[in-house]
Amino acid sequence: EPEVTQTPSHQVTQMGQEVILRCVPISNHLYFYWYRQILGQKVEFLVSFYNNEISEKSEIFDDQFSVERPDGSNFTLKIRSTKLEDSAMYFCASSDRASGWVGNEQFFGPGTRLTVL
Amino acid sequence: RKEVEQDPGPFNVPEGATVAFNCTYSNSASQSFFWYRQDCRKEPKLLMSVYSSGNEDGRFTAQLNRASQYISLLIRDSKLSDSATYLCGQDTGSARQLTFGSGTQLTVLP
Repeated sequence: EPEVTQTPSHQVTQMGQEVILRCVPISNHLYFYWYRQILGQKVEFLVSFYNNEISEKSEIFDDQFSVERPDGSNFTLKIRSTKLEDSAMYFCASSDRASGWVGNEQFFGPGTRLTVL
Repeated sequence: RKEVEQDPGPFNVPEGATVAFNCTYSNSASQSFFWYRQDCRKEPKLLMSVYSSGNEDGRFTAQLNRASQYISLLIRDSKLSDSATYLCGQDTGSARQLTFGSGTQLTVLP
């Protein structure tokens, strides 16, 4: 069964450093998302991406964040200068439907645990 | 603010029991709703989608009440392996991103 994969599973970084989190969505999916979950809190939407551009982003997704699809398979989230409060689990998700379809079932990757020291 | 609200629990039930969770939402424009289960420190896994009034899959039944703006999840004959956190979500916004509740923790006891 196809699945979303993410690397690394755990990233430890110093405050102020740049990190890149990588995702490989399900191969026939066209809609990609990043979510984060701070320990003990809700899963929160960060950004959605379709047709090589951001389609929507939340207020969390400020100028320190960027996303990219550098090739036909990878989807990356970059945090330019990490802060302590960026420590969280980051989930990538993908779906093959979007606005106009009845359902938009999203499938999540296993996540990258980011620890900022 | 558009939110999804869930009873956090915890729900502790004996094996074989029937348990129900409710979830209320405030964004009435949403077309579809979802139940995900999340094990500790793992990703959310899609359990059920709900587009019309309800959906059933084996021991699991989800119902949608648009008039009262809530969805429910019923688990019959609960198993030890059902122990997890259950997340209610709705798709919102132009990109149909998911807005989740805080989750309801279920522990099924032997």
